[in-house]
Amino acid sequence: EIVLTQSPGTLSLSPGERATLSCRASQSVSSSYLAWYQQKPGQAPRVLIYGASSRAPDIPDRFSGSGSGTDFTLTISRLEPEDFAVYYCQHYVTSPPSLTFGGGTKVEIK
Amino acid sequence: EVLLVESGGGLVQPGGSLRLSCAASGFTFSSYWMHWVRQAPGKGLVWVSHIHSDGTSAIYADSVKGRFTISRDNAKNTLYLQMNSLRAEDTAVYYCARGRVNFWSPPSYYYYMDVWGKGATVTVSS
Repeated sequence: EIVLTQSPGTLSLSPGERATLSCRASQSVSSSYLAWYQQKPGQAPRVLIYGASSRAPDIPDRFSGSGSGTDFTLTISRLEPEDFAVYYCQHYVTSPPSLTFGGGTKVEIK
Repeated sequence: EVLLVESGGGLVQPGGSLRLSCAASGFTFSSYWMHWVRQAPGKGLVWVSHIHSDGTSAIYADSVKGRFTISRDNAKNTLYLQMNSLRAEDTAVYYCARGRVNFWSPPSYYYYMDVWGKGATVTVSS
């Protein structure tokens, strides 16, 4: 079973700063099936990135994803007030099929 | 507008059963895989189950295997989650989500959830 470990648990930054979030897999995984989600309090998650680096429709270009193998990164180039939220990575394994979410990184206002 | 609306949540005693529904609108429901994802209070997201677009195949997280059953009625544009033998640790907000899947057509393969409902709250307590 793939385990996704996200770090840091909490990131304290100011608006305008750059945020770098990490998602590490317990073994090498296909980047095709790696996605990132944003969740604000009381709301459902929203997909930001799929295929490790493809932005979902209507997602601002300050959000970018990268990585391969076991290490993946979500970068927010310049934090806007609405970006303070919890971010999750997700991966799907095709055989045997299973899906895993990371534990999440909270980006909070410093 | 693409919309998913969950219903059927509530308070149930340990060992009891509950069926969640997810009504879909604004898209061709029968063309998409569908998922259930849950989130315990103050905790992270946990995937529960998915079902193929035609309903012929489904998979489950180990934590719910044998107790939960996902199904769909494409004529009614509705997804279901039958939950039996409920435990306190099943207490969570349950989200249904639309799946986007490409395992077959190169070069861009993907698997993610692009539309989510607002969630239904399930509380298992005596």
